[in-house]
Amino acid sequence: QKEVEQDPGPLSVPEGAIVSLNCTYSNSAFQYFMWYRQYSRKGPELLMYTYSSGNKEDGRFTAQVDKSSKYISLFIRDSQPSDSATYLCAMSEEDSNYQLIWGAGTKLIIKP
Amino acid sequence: EPEVTQTPSHQVTQMGQEVILRCVPISNHLYFYWYRQILGQKVEFLVSFYNNEISEKSEIFDDQFSVERPDGSNFTLKIRSTKLEDSAMYFCASRKSRNSNQPQHFGDGTRLSIL
Repeated sequence: QKEVEQDPGPLSVPEGAIVSLNCTYSNSAFQYFMWYRQYSRKGPELLMYTYSSGNKEDGRFTAQVDKSSKYISLFIRDSQPSDSATYLCAMSEEDSNYQLIWGAGTKLIIKP
Repeated sequence: EPEVTQTPSHQVTQMGQEVILRCVPISNHLYFYWYRQILGQKVEFLVSFYNNEISEKSEIFDDQFSVERPDGSNFTLKIRSTKLEDSAMYFCASRKSRNSNQPQHFGDGTRLSIL
């Protein structure tokens, strides 16, 4: 069954805090893992893209994939009020023509 | 930076009417997708399209739905006879190639409201 679980939040943290967002999944065939950010009335904006297991860092963002635990994370360092948005995880199998399966999205609020 | 554009941003239609949602993918992209998001629910895959044909479609994408790339730049989603439950945000996405380092890029969506 293709399912991705993600806590919808909201998650409220003070400015400057480290934020940890997570998704779990059940399909061991997933190989590609993405984090998208979505502002109100906008489409999903790609933040991080990871293939298979491991870590990837881009500025204040770090994505981690643990395939053995079927668990992915996004860390945001030095969080800013402009980071307030809904964060969606998405993943796909190798041979599914890249059909994305999505988490529910976590609403993040960064308090100044 | 190139982006996916979708029109209209909001479409209001009477139940039973046909509606066409339009998308202009990024110009050198080859793979195209439609997703929808019903209010308060997850984003759901509808269909993928490559080389002028459907590559994959979900259970949602029944005979009422069709896609077309009429002129080499636009990519459209048609719903023939809309139902109330078709009310949702519809997102178009495009991808450059099947290479593992090529993710999907999304437009800002069309909000479809069926009355």
